[in-house]
Order: sequence, then structure tokens, then C-alpha cells
Amino acid sequence: DAGVIQSPRHEVTEMGQEVTLRCKPISGHDYLFWYRQTMMRGLELLIYFNNNVPIDDSGMPEDRFSAKMPNASFSTLKIQPSEPRDSAVYFCASSLAGLGPREQFFGPGTRLTVL
Amino acid sequence: EDQVTQSPEALRLQEGESSSLNCSYTVSGLRGLFWYRQDPGKGPEFLFTLYSAGEEKEKERLKATLTKKESFLHITAPKPEDSATYLCAALTTDSWGKLQFGAGTQVVVTP
Repeated sequence: DAGVIQSPRHEVTEMGQEVTLRCKPISGHDYLFWYRQTMMRGLELLIYFNNNVPIDDSGMPEDRFSAKMPNASFSTLKIQPSEPRDSAVYFCASSLAGLGPREQFFGPGTRLTVL
Repeated sequence: EDQVTQSPEALRLQEGESSSLNCSYTVSGLRGLFWYRQDPGKGPEFLFTLYSAGEEKEKERLKATLTKKESFLHITAPKPEDSATYLCAALTTDSWGKLQFGAGTQVVVTP
């Protein structure tokens, strides 16, 4: 299995530009998560989906952030307009449903730099 | 408010020098306690899940234990390849998917 795939791996953009991050979860996984990691705040959950439906987006910092999951094999996280404080590493993770808590498998991340 | 705290923030070990990392949690109800390893420039890699107090799990030189208030990750006779940041995360009864992560312990093992 290829694991969770994210693209791009690095993104450098200027303030005010639109940024789109992409994720392909592990095939067969029911849950998809978007996280942001910074030195100051650590790893934070932004939003997660179950069977392509957003379940909890309370971690999305502002209306500038939006996420979609049009099908079971693809999700996007969009920032419009981007700001320097959005600079961080963004991770996508996926998980199987089960009777109890199931481990989440993380992708390699997208390092976003907003100038 | 749910909180997960890890200590120490950083740990420097000589190869072969065993030590323990601490993860204390204050949550409404624990469904699972997860340990991950993160190497620089990579995503967290799953290590263990612990579900109830008294439970222990082992993998090579790592052993994770759980009490009602904290979890420990014991590293026995570490090797340089054990150098990484170790993250713990709590899953609570309030929300299925929301892992509450600690800030991590950065471990460096020198030859």
C-alpha cells in the first residue's frame, strides 16, 4: 500500500494568494483528517470526514479555510486568501472505522510558506 | 478542558542508556491513548494504542504503559535510530475522531 499521499510537498506563495493542498487517503479507509503542525501550537486537528461527509470542522481557524472530499479517494484543503500566519506543515491522515478507537495513518505533509 | 502534557520536552541519551517519557492527561473520558513517533520532515508514525489502565504494549526497544492519569513510554537500551520526537495523543469519549496531541518529547540518542 502506498500510504497516504499528499501534494505538493512544499508550497511557497505570497500573501493573498489561494493555496490548495491535496490528499489521497489509504484505499478503504472511512475517515480522513486534516491537521496543522507549528512549533508554537503543535499538532492541531482542523477538520475530519467520515465517508466523505464533514463531521467536525471546529478546528478550522477562519472562513479563509475550507475543505472538501468529493469522493473516497481525494480531499482538498484550501486557504483563500493566504496569510503569513498560515505558514505551517499540513498533514492529512486516514483511518478505518471500527468498534473501538483506530489508529490514524499520516501522510508526509505539505510544508506551506506564505511570504 | 481536555489537556495532554508531555515531559520532558527534550531528552539526550547515550546509546544503551534506558529512560522513560511521560504523558499525563486530563480528559473527560479516555477511549484510547496513542503513541506516535515523528522523524524530521515526516508525518507521525503510529506506534501503540492503549485502552485501559494497567495495559502494556511492546515493540522492539519500546514499551508503553497506561495508568488512570498518565502513560509512559520506556525506551530500553536505545540506539541512535531511536532518535525522534515521540508524541502521545488522547482520544476522548466526547468525540470519535479528535485526537488531542501533546507537544512531544524530542529524543536524541548519541553513539
